[in-house]
This record gives sequence, structure tokens and C-alpha cells, in this order.
Amino acid sequence: GAGVSQSPSNKVTEKGKDVELRCDPISGHTALYWYRQSLGQGLEFLIYFQGNSAPDKSGLPSDRFSAERTGGSVSTLTIQRTQQEDSAVYLCASSQNRAPNSPLHFGNGTRLTVT
Amino acid sequence: SQQGEEDPQALSIQEGENATMNCSYKTSINNLQWYRQNSGRGLVHLILIRSNEREKHSGRLRVTLDTSKKSSSLLITASRAADTASYFCATPGALSGTYKYIFGTGTRLKVLA
Repeated sequence: GAGVSQSPSNKVTEKGKDVELRCDPISGHTALYWYRQSLGQGLEFLIYFQGNSAPDKSGLPSDRFSAERTGGSVSTLTIQRTQQEDSAVYLCASSQNRAPNSPLHFGNGTRLTVT
Repeated sequence: SQQGEEDPQALSIQEGENATMNCSYKTSINNLQWYRQNSGRGLVHLILIRSNEREKHSGRLRVTLDTSKKSSSLLITASRAADTASYFCATPGALSGTYKYIFGTGTRLKVLA
């Protein structure tokens, strides 16, 4: 089926505004991940959802960041009161995770620019 | 801190040459994965090696894993201009069993035609 879909692909917002980033994982994938990648840098883990378990939020950088996953499928990452340092590419990935060795399937990311 | 660290950070080679990238990690793992990222796009899974494997091949890719040294290497043979990309290793994070993959800082490979 279709791959991981993220929207919007680009988002420009003013400092202080809230933004919502959406991720549609591959159908049937129980695990969903959000990562952040600043320009020329590696991937920074943000949050991980696995089935109906409580999400692992250990990577969220501040309480301005939150994420939810409704019905075990679509996920939304919300950033409140955006700051310029939030500018980055936000990547979503999903995996089957029924086997212990499941590769991650990534979307093309949302490039967020805070002005 | 990042679980995986790749080196070198950047590598520039001529087309046809081999490219070798290394990854070091900190905790015990059950597998290690390598991904490629073309500029401005999402990551693509290349190859997975399990902790009980020492070497694995896929086309022009060869991956080795040394669990005693907590390190892995990715070799791309007979490189092509299309191999120009960033390469990342990924390992399960410190919370075993959760499959929370932590990525390294990446190696930026440039293959010159």
C-alpha cells in the first residue's frame, strides 16, 4: 500500500503561534515514531507510540510539544507557542513491530520554519 | 545522548571507489540498521543485521557487526554518483524491548563523477 504520508510538507509560521503536524502511517503498522532533524544534523528522537501502550515521550524537548495518536493510526504532533529554535524537519516513521527486527518506514517530513 | 555515532562525518570519493562508514553504539542491542537519506527527503532502510550475525550483504552493500566492540561498518562497493547521500546507523534505545530506535549523527557521502 501507500507509504507514510506527512502533511503539510512545508509550514512557515510566526513565532508564538501553534502548529499541528500530521502523520498517516502505513496501514497495519503498530509502532509510530516522531523525530526532529535540524539542518545538517542527525535525527533527534521525540516520541514513540506502540499499539495501545502509553507512549514514550522521553524525547520531547519541552512541554510545548505534545503528540497524540488516534485510533492507533493517524498521529498529530503539536507545538505550542513556537520558537525559532523549533525550526527543523519533523520526520514520522512507522513499523510493523510485531517482529523484533522491524525496519522503520519514513515519510518525507514536514519542514517547519518559525519566523 | 545519541546511541550511535558515525564516522567519518563526511566522505568524498571518486565514482568506482569503495566507501566505508563506521558506527559505534553504547548499549547491548538485538539488531542494528543502516539507513540512507537523500537531501531533503525521508530516510530509506538499507539493511538490518542481527546481533548474532557478523556480516551481511545486499547488492553492493556489506555490513559488519562487532558486538564486543559495539561497532558496525557499512561498505559500499563500486560507488556511483547516485550513492551521494547521508547514511545513518540506528539501534534500539536503552529501554530494551520497546524498539525505540536511536539514530547516529550520520556520514555525508559525496561520490564525484
